[in-house]
Amino acid sequence: DQQVKQNSPSLSVQEGRISILNCDYTNSMFDYFLWYKKYPAEGPTFLISISSIKDKNEDGRFTVFLNKSAKHLSLHIVPSQPGDSAVYFCAASARTQGGSEKLVFGKGTKLTVNP
Amino acid sequence: DTGVSQNPRHKITKRGQNVTFRCDPISEHNRLYWYRQTLGQGPEFLTYFQNEAQLEKSRLLSDRFSAERPKGSFSTLEIQRTEQGDSAMYLCASGIAVSYEQYFGPGTRLTVT
Repeated sequence: DQQVKQNSPSLSVQEGRISILNCDYTNSMFDYFLWYKKYPAEGPTFLISISSIKDKNEDGRFTVFLNKSAKHLSLHIVPSQPGDSAVYFCAASARTQGGSEKLVFGKGTKLTVNP
Repeated sequence: DTGVSQNPRHKITKRGQNVTFRCDPISEHNRLYWYRQTLGQGPEFLTYFQNEAQLEKSRLLSDRFSAERPKGSFSTLEIQRTEQGDSAMYLCASGIAVSYEQYFGPGTRLTVT
């Protein structure tokens, strides 16, 4: 069963507009959430994260919102730029007894920002 | 460059051969993770080290897979008797104990023919 779900495989937006990427999770033990961006032939690059004790975290053009009751988070990119075109992965973690904080990833959403 | 590095970047091998990958983490990071990513999927956790101790292994890590981090610095992932199903991108990430953030290397793409 997939604990982290990104239901939109792709998203296309115009340059300068807002991009909204969504993520749902099922495991209530998750207490930390991260977004990664991935270009082809490269490893994932950390973008922004949020703890479960917060409902919003902002870093420049990137804002992540967390709705714990709905087990839903979203990444907003404003304004979108062509260089933002990449695959975006949502990831979640829970402090297990072993303390590994291993990440559980969604399948990703491919964002295309058109000039 | 002080990021995570992985070698080789690409490996093509024949079924049944053994392969070994290397990961050099960010120098001050005491945690090191291995993930595997196949087409259309997100990375999947394989195993994790804190310093030289391997503390967790996924059920994905069959007996043909072994990972080491002998001196708490670099790590190796070996796959014995490779199978076509092992074809994937193998990603290494590092981090520190007090933080959830993990920083990934560029990956090693394995193709088993």
